[in-house]
Amino acid sequence: DARVTQTPRHKVTEMGQEVTMRCQPILGHNTVFWYRQTMMQGLELLAYFRNRAPLDDSGMPKDRFSAEMPDATLATLKIQPSEPRDSAVYFCASGWASGGNTGELFFGEGSRLTVL
Amino acid sequence: QQQVKQSPQSLIVQKGGISIINCAYENTAFDYFPWYQQFPGKGPALLIAIRPDVSEKKEGRFTISFNKSAKQFSLHIMDSQPGDSATYFCAASMGNAGNMLTFGGGTRLMVKP
Repeated sequence: DARVTQTPRHKVTEMGQEVTMRCQPILGHNTVFWYRQTMMQGLELLAYFRNRAPLDDSGMPKDRFSAEMPDATLATLKIQPSEPRDSAVYFCASGWASGGNTGELFFGEGSRLTVL
Repeated sequence: QQQVKQSPQSLIVQKGGISIINCAYENTAFDYFPWYQQFPGKGPALLIAIRPDVSEKKEGRFTISFNKSAKQFSLHIMDSQPGDSATYFCAASMGNAGNMLTFGGGTRLMVKP
């Protein structure tokens, strides 16, 4: 049963600490996304990778957030330093895109971050 | 910049009733319009999707109606059931952006028994 796996599922940390969230996309998918979900903003796109190359991170606060794909089986989202306003659920999603075709995105179960 | 606007934010429907959620988009380059369903504690999952070359798509109790000229699309849930209680997101994407989705703000649906 192929699925997107995210760790940790829950994280409570103090303001100023570094937070790293990890995602294992579905094997064979060539696109990976990080979305942030809050009550006020819905689902916001933070980063988009295609074939491991970053294509869009315009929604990500560059001063404290960074996203990488060190290999095809791992995507990371790092926040340093974390702030209370970063408290949200962070979702990773993967899919297959070829040329102009648009395919389904498969979401993980999310990482719930609370910054005190 | 919100390119996809969704309404209502919340909706309460009696069991057996029709649930209707509406979305409007601005970018005419969008060419794929999916709806995602999210249960508490889970990630969103694809429910149904439409492309602008058709005006309606039906899958079981779920129907998307699409109005290209008005740049609007809607989700209709017929014979709504308590198990349909979830948050629904409309979304849109452009072919040249692969499967990068821009989501609406979400609608929290509650179906009362």
